[in-house]
Amino acid sequence: AQSVTQLGSHVSVSEGALVLLRCNYSSSVPPYLFWYVQYPNQGLQLLLKYTSAATLVKGINGFEAEFKKSETSFHLTKPSAHMSDAAEYFCAVSTFYNQGGKLIFGQGTELSVKP
Amino acid sequence: DAGITQSPRYKITETGRQVTLMCHQTWSHSYMFWYRQDLGHGLRLIYYSAAADITDKGEVPDGYVVSRSKTENFPLTLESATRSQTSVYFCASKLELSLTDTQYFGPGTRLTVL
Repeated sequence: AQSVTQLGSHVSVSEGALVLLRCNYSSSVPPYLFWYVQYPNQGLQLLLKYTSAATLVKGINGFEAEFKKSETSFHLTKPSAHMSDAAEYFCAVSTFYNQGGKLIFGQGTELSVKP
Repeated sequence: DAGITQSPRYKITETGRQVTLMCHQTWSHSYMFWYRQDLGHGLRLIYYSAAADITDKGEVPDGYVVSRSKTENFPLTLESATRSQTSVYFCASKLELSLTDTQYFGPGTRLTVL
C-alpha cells in the first residue's frame, strides 16, 4: 500500500534560516510526488511536483525538493526562510489510477518562522 | 471568477440534519474530488467523479452522498450529520486521469456538527 510520512508535525525556524521539511513515501511502484502549501483559511496550493523528468525539482517561492529513490524521500527545502513562508505543508503521492488517481497525503507539517 | 469555489465557507449544523456543500469549477476539468481534513490525518478522499454522472467512493464515503449532473458542479451531501463529520472539507479538480496532473483545490468549507 502506498503511504506518506512527514517527520515532525511542527517545525520552527528563524527568518533567514534554512527550511527543511521531511517527507518519506512507501510505494510498490514508481511514485509521483507533490508538495502543497496551505495558508491559514485557504485551500491547498501546489508548490512543486516530481514527475520523473528530473530528481531535483524547483517550485514556486524559492522552494525545491529532491527525489531520492534509495532513501524513499522527497524532502522540501528553501535556503532562506521568510515570514511569509509560515503555513502548513503537505507531501502527497500518486501511484495508481484507481479512485481517479487520487493523492495520498501525509499528516502535514506546520512551519513557523520567527523574526 | 475563474477557478474552483466552495460554498458555504463556514457552516454550523445540528446532529441529524441534512447538509449540502457546494463545489463549482470553471475549467471544465473531468475529474473532481471531495476530501476531508482532520488533525493528524492529512486529507482523506471521500468521493470522486470522473465525469458528469460518473461518481465513485473514496476511502471514507460512509454518511456522504454525491452527485454530478453537470461537469462544473460536484455537491457533497451529508444526509444525517454526525459529530464525527465535523471537519474541513476540500473540493479539488484536475483535467484528466494522468497521475502527474495537478489537482487544484478550493478554499474549503469548515463544518461544525453540534
